[in-house]
Amino acid sequence: GNSVTQMEGPVTLSEEAFLTINCTYTATGYPSLFWYVQYPGEGLQLLLKATKADDKGSNKGFEATYRKETTSFHLEKGSVQVSDSAVYFCAFLDNYGQNFVFGPGTRLSVLP
Amino acid sequence: EAGVVQSPRYKIIEKKQPVAFWCNPISGHNTLYWYLQNLGQGPELLIRYENEEAVDDSQLPKDRFSAERLKGVDSTLKIQPAELGDSAVYLCASSLGIEDTQYFGPGTRLTVL
Repeated sequence: GNSVTQMEGPVTLSEEAFLTINCTYTATGYPSLFWYVQYPGEGLQLLLKATKADDKGSNKGFEATYRKETTSFHLEKGSVQVSDSAVYFCAFLDNYGQNFVFGPGTRLSVLP
Repeated sequence: EAGVVQSPRYKIIEKKQPVAFWCNPISGHNTLYWYLQNLGQGPELLIRYENEEAVDDSQLPKDRFSAERLKGVDSTLKIQPAELGDSAVYLCASSLGIEDTQYFGPGTRLTVL
């Protein structure tokens, strides 16, 4: 069935470190892929998305590339800040536009 | 522009009591979602509305959960009776359509004692 797998957290980094959060998915066809972020005390918000293979989504210094061959959508940022501390959720919408599936989330803590 | 509004933000009840959550989506958004989020997990879809029609309620436990979206705008999610395992955050989201970006409300944190 449809599912999303993310690397387990928590991930703890020092400020200005490089970040990678792995995400792989299992879905039929060609889903649209998303990263959502949930800052402490706030609701989920869309961080970036990609709708077809090889597309790169980017926002706030974060990037993720839709890799169809590896069914992955890893999130990266070159230099994290304390304000990036949050929970990050990988998600997809199947290509029938019917099922929206979230991963379990990865908590990131960035230390000054 | 106002975002998705949910109330209450927190609710504490005893088991077997009823509880209701309210959601006001972003104006003009036809699609409305209710999700359940357990601690340390991602949101799980309970029900999705297109206007006033529930088009996906396959994950809604219909023996105790019910939802409505009268007039295709505001929505209410109800649990009757609540069980200990219902303790979670209930999220509402809305979007222009199913393929458009979802905007989430802050959620209602339910604690069942």
